Amino acid sequence: ETGVTQTPRHLVMGMTNKKSLKCEQHLGHNAMYWYKQSAKKPLELMFVYSLEERVENNSVPSRFSPECPNSSHLFLHLHTLQPEDSALYLCASSQVRGINEKLFFGSGTQLSVL
Amino acid sequence: RKEVEQDPGPFNVPEGATVAFNCTYSNSASQSFFWYRQDCRKEPKLLMSVYSSGNEDGRFTAQLNRASQYISLLIRDSKLSDSATYLCVVRAANYGQNFVFGPGTRLSVLP
Repeated sequence: ETGVTQTPRHLVMGMTNKKSLKCEQHLGHNAMYWYKQSAKKPLELMFVYSLEERVENNSVPSRFSPECPNSSHLFLHLHTLQPEDSALYLCASSQVRGINEKLFFGSGTQLSVL
Repeated sequence: RKEVEQDPGPFNVPEGATVAFNCTYSNSASQSFFWYRQDCRKEPKLLMSVYSSGNEDGRFTAQLNRASQYISLLIRDSKLSDSATYLCVVRAANYGQNFVFGPGTRLSVLP
């Protein structure tokens, strides 16, 4: 148990649906991340929130909309996705400017878009 | 050139073998280095940080060569449970302090 909880673990949605992924960290960290991992590709950084401010938006399509209401919670709102958006979506947290800062991941949401 | 490159793999080795993975990074301003392990369809988990002087954790030894911008991971006495994908991760101030992942090297330890 890494202290980062993601729900749901699996999600199947149609292209017209709206859904949200949820992430909660219990580590007292001040930065949270969304990564995307497609089959046979490296992890791609999508969004970074540091001290609840979005500091990175890595050219992600607007059909992905992040929300960080506080330092412990992070959401990824999904709407009108495409089949190529099917992937493993991983949330992570870290302590920015902490000693030997490391990333801790949640268990991920395996998303399938039909 | 990709920011972080790794041996393409896969590596198939017998139990008890010693195996080494290599990683190179392009950003000379990189500050922090890590090896993560990822099992199939699971999240990456931190295996070890990599320090300038090299460091060891049980059967795992990590080395860093800043001049060559090269990182290595050595696994001794491989176990079946070591089968996974090993990810090289680099962090640099001019990446916005973000963590950049390599593509990973898959290891299969065979009985």
